[in-house]
Amino acid sequence: GAGVSQSPRYKVTKRGQDVALRCDPISGHVSLYWYRQALGQGPEFLTYFNYEAQQDKSGLPNDRFSAERPEGSISTLTIQRTEQRDSAMYRCASSLGAGYSPLHFGNGTRLTVT
Amino acid sequence: QKEVEQNSGPLSVPEGAIASLNCTYSDRGSQSFFWYRQYSGKSPELIMFIYSNGDKEDGRFTAQLNKASQYVSLLIRDSQPSDSATYLCAVNIRVFSGGYNKLIFGAGTRLAVHP
Repeated sequence: GAGVSQSPRYKVTKRGQDVALRCDPISGHVSLYWYRQALGQGPEFLTYFNYEAQQDKSGLPNDRFSAERPEGSISTLTIQRTEQRDSAMYRCASSLGAGYSPLHFGNGTRLTVT
Repeated sequence: QKEVEQNSGPLSVPEGAIASLNCTYSDRGSQSFFWYRQYSGKSPELIMFIYSNGDKEDGRFTAQLNKASQYVSLLIRDSQPSDSATYLCAVNIRVFSGGYNKLIFGAGTRLAVHP
């Protein structure tokens, strides 16, 4: 596609529910990142994929968070048993390859846990 | 020490002045550095990248890199009110154990250009 596409744009869920956030990267982009961004802060690294391999998940806050990219394209970030502290903007970004290629960001998913 | 540090600001400059935004990083092995601009409520957008020591100019923007001091900066000449945004510094951190890089962002500096 023309850009990184994320869905849904907004998600409101009740505490304890599971949510799945989707990212469709730019076609041909090998690297895919998930970030979380709180208001007034920079994007906080969550996890990184190289093709379908999840090379780094050190930023995932706890085991309620997981991510996959089974065919090396679309990725899903899943949060189980959501808590109010999970409320944030979740951003996906992709690039041609890790290292020197700049990231292109999607519009993000605003998650609100009530 | 955070991996990428920026002064949160706000940095207030008059229209037409030079705005200077600074960033320091902890990983001495980092090789690529990026500046993103983020307007309120929008996604970050790439402004410049720099890989080599020295200056790199693009229009009104100049990125400066000093690897020995682990310091990267962004200068905006002839600042305009439309430049008012948060500027994010991002550094590629090399993860040697895994043989890959990951892009780490600073908290951002809020710039306000007043007429």
